[in-house]
Amino acid sequence: QSVLTQPPSVSAAPGQKVTLSCSGTTSNIGNNRVFWYQQVSGKAPKLLIFDNDKRPSGIPDRFSGSKSGTSATLDITGLRTGDEADYYCGTWDISLNIGVFGGGTKLTVL
Amino acid sequence: QVQLVESGGGVARPGGSLRLSCSVSRFSFSAYGFHWVRQAPGKGLDWVALIWYDGSKKYYSDSVEGRFNISRDNSKETLYLEMNTLRVEDTAIYYCARRDPYSGAVDYWGQGTLVTVSS
Repeated sequence: QSVLTQPPSVSAAPGQKVTLSCSGTTSNIGNNRVFWYQQVSGKAPKLLIFDNDKRPSGIPDRFSGSKSGTSATLDITGLRTGDEADYYCGTWDISLNIGVFGGGTKLTVL
Repeated sequence: QVQLVESGGGVARPGGSLRLSCSVSRFSFSAYGFHWVRQAPGKGLDWVALIWYDGSKKYYSDSVEGRFNISRDNSKETLYLEMNTLRVEDTAIYYCARRDPYSGAVDYWGQGTLVTVSS
């Protein structure tokens, strides 16, 4: 059972937009910054979004993040087949003093 | 580009021990804390342990507390995870990851090293 809650799967057609959700509590998302990671099958996770809404160098602006209260979202626009991957949200829980992740959302681009 | 490289994975018997290492490049090792995160086959990400930049604080998940030890040698710019009393359920890919200094969360990841615990 993951501390952060993500839907297990989502699907959309190429070119469309998809929104991935991540829900937590006041001791993690509510009072800390949210990170998003993309994990393509067989590869290591890759940083996609940091500090709720910032993109590292090289991440296209089709990926955007936001946070409100104890929830966060990752939007992906102009979907491509190459975006098929597992997406995880994560942060540090300031009360439990542990790293926390969502269970991951598998994105299928039909 | 930030780089982290793990080594030391392999096969161990239940009750056995294994030590993982992680080396980094393209950023200052001694300025950052580091996490170990694992991923069992077909499962999600599972946080294991964190060590601060100077080694002064360490945190562990309940599932490894008392069995695993995270440490670092800043003179060798190397991170370690000593794993003892291994269990079959410790089988996973183990990732070394950098700690974001502002939030404490994971930012950059290594490529992972596979640990298999089997009799």
